[in-house]
Amino acid sequence: AQTVTQSQPEMSVQEAETVTLSCTYDTSENNYYLFWYKQPPSRQMILVIRQEAYKQQNATENRFSVNFQKAAKSFSLKISDSQLGDTAMYFCAFKRAGGGADGLTFGKGTHLIIQP
Amino acid sequence: DSGVTQTPKHLITATGQRVTLRCSPRSGDLSVYWYQQSLDQGLQFLIQYYNGEERAKGNILERFSAQQFPDLHSELNLSSLELGDSALYFCASSVEVGAAWDEQFFGPGTRLTVL
Repeated sequence: AQTVTQSQPEMSVQEAETVTLSCTYDTSENNYYLFWYKQPPSRQMILVIRQEAYKQQNATENRFSVNFQKAAKSFSLKISDSQLGDTAMYFCAFKRAGGGADGLTFGKGTHLIIQP
Repeated sequence: DSGVTQTPKHLITATGQRVTLRCSPRSGDLSVYWYQQSLDQGLQFLIQYYNGEERAKGNILERFSAQQFPDLHSELNLSSLELGDSALYFCASSVEVGAAWDEQFFGPGTRLTVL
């Protein structure tokens, strides 16, 4: 079984600042996917970014980028030029790769507040 | 809008009762996943169906069951409800199981309150 740990229950930064959310995970799998999901007050789950474990290059999506350290089992999310609309819960998630069926394993989440 | 629909949006019921939550996946998606989000347990995977068959089980209680119908919609049945079952229940769908990359698209959720 795998576990996902987010050690920051809440973070608060000023608009336009850069913020990094931490995530560590534990697994015996070699092939897997890692994700960051955003859950705004509307409660909708929105995929922010994903990373395939076999890729060494860190994923980037506009203002969002990750720092994936496979050996350390670390997967942090960096949000640059933060905006008020980034205020939300952010969940780190893990999924096994390959032909087996499986759901996502989520961390407890980090509540990110962007202050004007 | 993810294309995944869930009904009802809100459900209020009493302990000991039984309820059914419904999910319609995105057009073309064969896999349906159910997740529970509660204050105590966080977000946890319950069960997955693929093209009508159960494919994976997570932390689903024996009082809970699910099925996926020929038209690919899915229902999650919760029985003998307890106060602790109060949660937001999400359905997600994806194209297929076992693909190199299959994004799960989440529905808006059903908020269940057990009184």
